[in-house]
Amino acid sequence: GQQLNQSPQSMFIQEGEDVSMNCTSSSIFNTWLWYKQDPGEGPVLLIALYKAGELTSNGRLTAQFGITRKDSFLNISASIPSDVGIYFCDKTSYDKVIFGPGTSLSVIP
Amino acid sequence: DGGITQSPKYLFRKEGQNVTLSCEQNLNHDAMYWYRQDPGQGLRLIYYSQIVNDFQKGDIAEGYSVSREKKESFPLTVTSAQKNPTAFYLCASSIGVGWGQPQHFGDGTRLSIL
Repeated sequence: GQQLNQSPQSMFIQEGEDVSMNCTSSSIFNTWLWYKQDPGEGPVLLIALYKAGELTSNGRLTAQFGITRKDSFLNISASIPSDVGIYFCDKTSYDKVIFGPGTSLSVIP
Repeated sequence: DGGITQSPKYLFRKEGQNVTLSCEQNLNHDAMYWYRQDPGQGLRLIYYSQIVNDFQKGDIAEGYSVSREKKESFPLTVTSAQKNPTAFYLCASSIGVGWGQPQHFGDGTRLSIL
């Protein structure tokens, strides 16, 4: 079936460092959504990507829709303590809800 | 402010009991979802509904039941048949189930077994 893989599974970084994570699929889709979940809360949408090759920024966050349409990347520049949480990718199609397993980010002050 | 509200925040269940988790949205969204999240894990879909009076099973529907009598409400019942119900439950809604429809999540209900 359709599955998403996210890597790395977890990361521990120093405050101020840049972060890179990705999401891959065996299938081609037309949409990538990235969410962040703070501890004890529900996920919140960060960035939505709708076109292959698209590069979109939201403050210190930048996400790209891979040219092959099978992957997406999320970068966080100059990390701060409040970046801690779990980052999920989502490529829900017309009849299937698909979330990746998440990348857990810890920021060491 | 529009949003999605889950209650209660914390819930305790005795073994053999059914419990119902509430989820209400005032975003006028057609689609609603229930997920289960275990510690350190991702989101697993329990049920979703695309329209009133209709719902579909997700990946882990066994031991759970839902209803969708009103557009705004999508309660989840954790039945006694669910043998390992301790988890964090998240409700979400979206304009529809379709390409690129972002989901809006509630703040979750944490269910524990006494």
